[in-house]
Amino acid sequence: EIVLTQSPGTLSLSPGERATLSCRASRIISHNYIAWYQQKPGQAPRLLVFDTSRRATGIPDRFSGSGSLTDFTLTISGLEPADYAVYYCQQYETSPKTFGQGTKVELK
Amino acid sequence: QLQLQESGAGLVKPSEILSLTCAVSGDSISSGSYTWSWIRQSPGNGLEWLGHIYHNGRTYYMPSLESRITMSQDWSRNEISLRLTSVTAADTAVYFCARARILQATLEGVVIGPFNYWGRGVLVTVSS
Repeated sequence: EIVLTQSPGTLSLSPGERATLSCRASRIISHNYIAWYQQKPGQAPRLLVFDTSRRATGIPDRFSGSGSLTDFTLTISGLEPADYAVYYCQQYETSPKTFGQGTKVELK
Repeated sequence: QLQLQESGAGLVKPSEILSLTCAVSGDSISSGSYTWSWIRQSPGNGLEWLGHIYHNGRTYYMPSLESRITMSQDWSRNEISLRLTSVTAADTAVYFCARARILQATLEGVVIGPFNYWGRGVLVTVSS
C-alpha cells in the first residue's frame, strides 16, 4: 500500500497569498497518477487536479499541480475566500487507492 | 448530469450488518467505461477507499476488509450496494459512492483514474 503524507497539517494564510501544499508518497508514482481534491464542511471532496498537473473541468487556473516520483505539490496562487477548505492528495497508481491525511487552509 | 445518491440505515448496532445503496442517475452502471467505488471518511482514519465494482460484476476490496465486505450492482435499478458485516465502532463514518473512469483493463483487473463524481455521502453510526 502506498502511504501519502501531506504537509503542513494546517496552513494559515490571508486572501491573495500563495498556498503551497505538499504530498509525499512512500513509493515512486511512476505514471504520475496523483489527484488533488478540495473538501468543504458537509460536502463530498471535489476533484481539482489529476495526473499530477491536469486541472479538472471548471477548475480555475489559480490551482496548479506539479511534481514527480514521490514528491507532489498543489499550488493555489492568490487565495480567494472560496478556497479556504481541506485539501487531499490521492494516488491511483496501485490498489488499494489511498489518500493523504489532508491539509487545512485556514484564514489567517 | 451524473448524480449519485447514497442511502441506508444511519444507525447500526455492533456486530450487525451495514447496508447502503448508491442510486445512479445520468449514466448507466452497466457502461463498460467506469468503476463504482465506496469511500468512507471518519475523523480517525480520514478518507479510506473500500473498493470498487465494475461492469461485469468484478470487484476489488481493501485487503483489510475482504472478509467482511461485499459490493454488488443492480442493473435494473441502476444501483450499487455495499454490505459490511460484523461492524464495530471503527466502522462509524460518512460513506460516499464515487465514479472513476477505467483507463486500462488488464488480466489482473483495471487501472482507474481519479474520482470525478461523488455522492453527498451518508453518515453511518455504529452504536448500541
